[in-house]
Amino acid sequence: AQSVAQPEDQVNVAEGNPLTVKCTYSVSGNPYLFWYVQYPNRGLQFLLKYITGDNLVKGSYGFEAEFNKSQTSFHLKKPSALVSDSALYFCAVRDMAGGSYIPTFGRGTSLIVHP
Amino acid sequence: AAGVIQSPRHLIKEKRETATLKCYPIPRHDTVYWYQQGPGQDPQFLISFYEKMQSDKGSIPDRFSAQQFSDYHSELNMSSLELGDSALYFCASSLQGGEAFFGQGTRLTVV
Repeated sequence: AQSVAQPEDQVNVAEGNPLTVKCTYSVSGNPYLFWYVQYPNRGLQFLLKYITGDNLVKGSYGFEAEFNKSQTSFHLKKPSALVSDSALYFCAVRDMAGGSYIPTFGRGTSLIVHP
Repeated sequence: AAGVIQSPRHLIKEKRETATLKCYPIPRHDTVYWYQQGPGQDPQFLISFYEKMQSDKGSIPDRFSAQQFSDYHSELNMSSLELGDSALYFCASSLQGGEAFFGQGTRLTVV
């Protein structure tokens, strides 16, 4: 079985400061990891993914995520937060060893960037 | 670039009525997924199709059914609607094994 945990319901950060949104995962095989962002009443927008290769993955809007196999984590980061980054962020995982291609989502973390 | 199109964007139905949600995937994508997102909840997987055949089934109630047509569009049919069915319903599409791209969702309100 595959699962994702986002331990923080909400993250608050001041504009211009670095931000981190945490995600840990559990899979049987190797993970295929994603981050999505959701603005109010909108669909999920794909930000970035990790399949294999470099542990630091760069994505849209200046976001990046670091894959850490030993800690089974895939934290989302941005060096300098913008007010417009305020949204709901979802981490998702798919087990590459499984027969299913369905990503499982975490509960989401609300990011609030204060001016 | 073309995105996943869902219709309608908003739908209001009464209890025990039926509803049909439509999804038009990104061209050449071979996999379609349906998710349900309740208020303040994470998206819950309902069902998926690969090349017009059902490929996976999640927490989809027996009152719901879905299919994918020859033109790859998909429909989620919901019958005997309950108040608890009120949610945002997302369709997503992908190339098999690739990242999923989501539509804007259909907000279903059951009154």
